Amino acid sequence: AQKITQTQPGMFVQEKEAVTLDCTYDTSDPSYGLFWYKQPSSGEMIFLIYQGSYDQQNATEGRYSLNFQKARKSANLVISASQLGDSAMYFCAMRWTYNNNDMRFGAGTRLTVKP
Amino acid sequence: ETGVTQTPRHLVMGMTNKKSLKCEQHLGHNAMYWYKQSAKKPLELMFVYNFKEQTENNSVPSRFSPECPNSSHLFLHLHTLQPEDSALYLCASSPGIHTQYFGPGTRLTVL
Repeated sequence: AQKITQTQPGMFVQEKEAVTLDCTYDTSDPSYGLFWYKQPSSGEMIFLIYQGSYDQQNATEGRYSLNFQKARKSANLVISASQLGDSAMYFCAMRWTYNNNDMRFGAGTRLTVKP
Repeated sequence: ETGVTQTPRHLVMGMTNKKSLKCEQHLGHNAMYWYKQSAKKPLELMFVYNFKEQTENNSVPSRFSPECPNSSHLFLHLHTLQPEDSALYLCASSPGIHTQYFGPGTRLTVL
């Protein structure tokens, strides 16, 4: 079964510290993409970072990096140098190449950055 | 700002009303999506359109009726909704198999 799991309902981090948000997935398909989105209280889902299942290197985008461990089926998001504006819900998502209409989201993690 | 807009941003309607949600993108994307986000539930895919053709209907009740008149516009027509349909409705577009770009959402309250 295709499933995305985020086990941390809420996380706290001190401003300027790094934080890791966990994401594990379950699939038997070899070709897929993993995404992280940020959703502030305004509601918009903001794309942060993408990792393809065949990518050799971990994806990075500015302060965001994706710790991709394929054998463990995990795709954790690392945010370095946290800022107050990073406080939001964060969603991990997965999309399969064979059916790119199907995108599954995890339940989300609420990150709070403390000053 | 992702280039995907949604109107209205907030909507309150009674169970007997008929209303429509609008989504617009001028990014040249060929796929558009409707999602429902309820409190304490994962994002649920409702409908998918590829090149104006509906390619996915994720067992959505008929009181939700999508319409895609062209590749830039997507509507969700609502009628005889239930209070449990209250949620944030998100529209997204995508150039293909890669990233989906979301609009700001319409927060719907059904009384």
